[in-house]
Amino acid sequence: GQQVMQIPQYQHVQEGEDFTTYCNSSTTLSNIQWYKQRPGGHPVFLIQLVKSGEVKKQKRLTFQFGEAKKNSSLHITATQTTDVGTYFCAGRGSGTYKYIFGTGTRLKVLA
Amino acid sequence: ETGVTQSPTHLIKTRGQQVTLRCSSQSGHNTVSWYQQALGQGPQFIFQYYREEENGRGNFPPRFSGLQFPNYSSELNVNALELDDSALYLCASSLGTGRNEQYFGPGTRLTVT
Repeated sequence: GQQVMQIPQYQHVQEGEDFTTYCNSSTTLSNIQWYKQRPGGHPVFLIQLVKSGEVKKQKRLTFQFGEAKKNSSLHITATQTTDVGTYFCAGRGSGTYKYIFGTGTRLKVLA
Repeated sequence: ETGVTQSPTHLIKTRGQQVTLRCSSQSGHNTVSWYQQALGQGPQFIFQYYREEENGRGNFPPRFSGLQFPNYSSELNVNALELDDSALYLCASSLGTGRNEQYFGPGTRLTVT
């Protein structure tokens, strides 16, 4: 079945440093969504990517969808302490309504 | 806040018992998906309900069942609870299926002893 992996599993950065998490699917995706989950909280929708090669930006966050629609990345520029949390990608294959969440990348930002 | 509510917040049950979790979707949303999130893991899809019909199911046994009501609120029922069922249960509402952003509720923390 479809699997979605994320690397790294954990990342500790100094405030102001950049951060990137990578998401890889075993199958081609129809679309991919990114979520942020703060400690003790629930996933919060960040963005959705649909087109091959798509790039979207939200302030300091840049999201990319690979040309083959099997991988994606989230890059945060100049991290802040408010960026702390676990970032999940969630991919959906063609012909299914099911989203498969990645394993997540837990980000800690040291002030 | 997303407008998605879940009850109860926490629950402790004994192995073999049955449990019902509830979810009220955001106003106007007709689709509810249920996820199980074990500690330190990503959410795992259990099933989705669209307009009161089950619309897709993940790799969960039949003892996990659900309902969606005409007001689009939903229930998740788990029979014959096992220790491994201990997890955070999340519901997410969306407008339609497929390419729609999902709004998650705060979750129900279930502990099975």
